Amino acid sequence: DTGVSQNPRHKITKRGQNVTFRCDPISEHNRLYWYRQTLGQGPEFLTYFQNEAQLEKSRLLSDRFSAERPKGSFSTLEIQRTEQGDSAMYLCASSPTEGGGAVFFGPGTRLTVL
Amino acid sequence: GEDVEQSLFLSVREGDSSVINCTYTDSSSTYLYWYKQEPGAGLQLLTYIFSNMDMKQDQRLTVLLNKKDKHLSLRIADTQTGDSAIYFCAENQFYFGTGTSLTVIP
Repeated sequence: DTGVSQNPRHKITKRGQNVTFRCDPISEHNRLYWYRQTLGQGPEFLTYFQNEAQLEKSRLLSDRFSAERPKGSFSTLEIQRTEQGDSAMYLCASSPTEGGGAVFFGPGTRLTVL
Repeated sequence: GEDVEQSLFLSVREGDSSVINCTYTDSSSTYLYWYKQEPGAGLQLLTYIFSNMDMKQDQRLTVLLNKKDKHLSLRIADTQTGDSAIYFCAENQFYFGTGTSLTVIP
């Protein structure tokens, strides 16, 4: 395991459809983060997990978004009833410590909503 | 959310030093990060500094932290064309700046 992996790398969907993304963190990293990045902007924090517990959710995360990390390993991010404004790169990151330290990002999943 | 601000663009000549600046607002920040993003690629962690430190050096990279002014800088010595990218500072793991696009002129 050499890094954070995300699948799929690209997703094209029609408005109104549901989509689910998966993130596999670096082994034994207990913190996992989700972000959204649009063109020309920095990543926007969405939510994070400490093991299986979801500790914080940004107000950017509408009710259509839900994230899970059932066994404290991989995580999924689901978007229901997608809208064109959801088109973005969705980034996952993980870190090995509770207090911070090095945080490593995956390659991202690019979502295009038609 | 918290505001993390960076200048948008920086151009330097190859071999010169680059200094990328960042200001943040949350005085309770524990860690401050610098990331590099090349076109079409993910974010690469360059370095990070704990808030009780003033400076951290790692090969060509020097990070300076002024907690009083909430100012963070990244100095790249002997800048190379491969350093051309967008550089993001981040406050803890939650708040990112809009990025500084560094262009290195051969």
